[in-house]
Amino acid sequence: AQSVSQHNHHVILSEAASLELGCNYSYGGTVNLFWYVQYPGQHLQLLLKYFSGDPLVKGIKGFEAEFIKSKFSFNLRKPSVQWSDTAEYFCAVNENSGGYQKVTFGTGTKLQVIP
Amino acid sequence: ETGVTQTPRHLVMGMTNKKSLKCEQHLGHNAMYWYKQSAKKPLELMFVYSLEERVENNSVPSRFSPECPNSSHLFLHLHTLQPEDSALYLCASSQGGEGGETQYFGPGTRLLVL
Repeated sequence: AQSVSQHNHHVILSEAASLELGCNYSYGGTVNLFWYVQYPGQHLQLLLKYFSGDPLVKGIKGFEAEFIKSKFSFNLRKPSVQWSDTAEYFCAVNENSGGYQKVTFGTGTKLQVIP
Repeated sequence: ETGVTQTPRHLVMGMTNKKSLKCEQHLGHNAMYWYKQSAKKPLELMFVYSLEERVENNSVPSRFSPECPNSSHLFLHLHTLQPEDSALYLCASSQGGEGGETQYFGPGTRLLVL
């Protein structure tokens, strides 16, 4: 069975600081990797995903993540955070299954950005 | 608004009650999911339906009973729940394919079992 580890449970940053959230997974097969975000009072929604190709993936709102296969990692980065980035961030791994997603989520990281 | 709706948004029930959670997707997707989100725990995949057929059941107790009458609707029937079943129950949908498809989540039903 696959698992996902997010190392930071709660991160507090000042505006304009750089962000890196760690994510490691354990699964030896072909994977698809995701970062989902849940803003306060809103639905869980996709931030970015890696499917194939370039391991550096760019998502919405200036976020990016790099898939490093040798390290089983998919860390999320943003060079300069804003107050509006305050949210909970979930890393997820999809095990390829025919016709549907069998996704394992991490425990989430709560990001608080201080103005 | 993601195209996935859930009702009710909040539910309080006793351990002897029977209730149902409803999920509807307006995205034309062919796979639907139930997740349980508890505090300080990862989202737990409970059930997956693909083309209206249950394809995953992740060791969920029988007091949770899913139903997928068509590709747009998904229900979670609840009976004789325990207080530890209190959580946020999320529904999601996706378009089946080669993998890597985005899941679209509903707002969730906040369940409290007394």
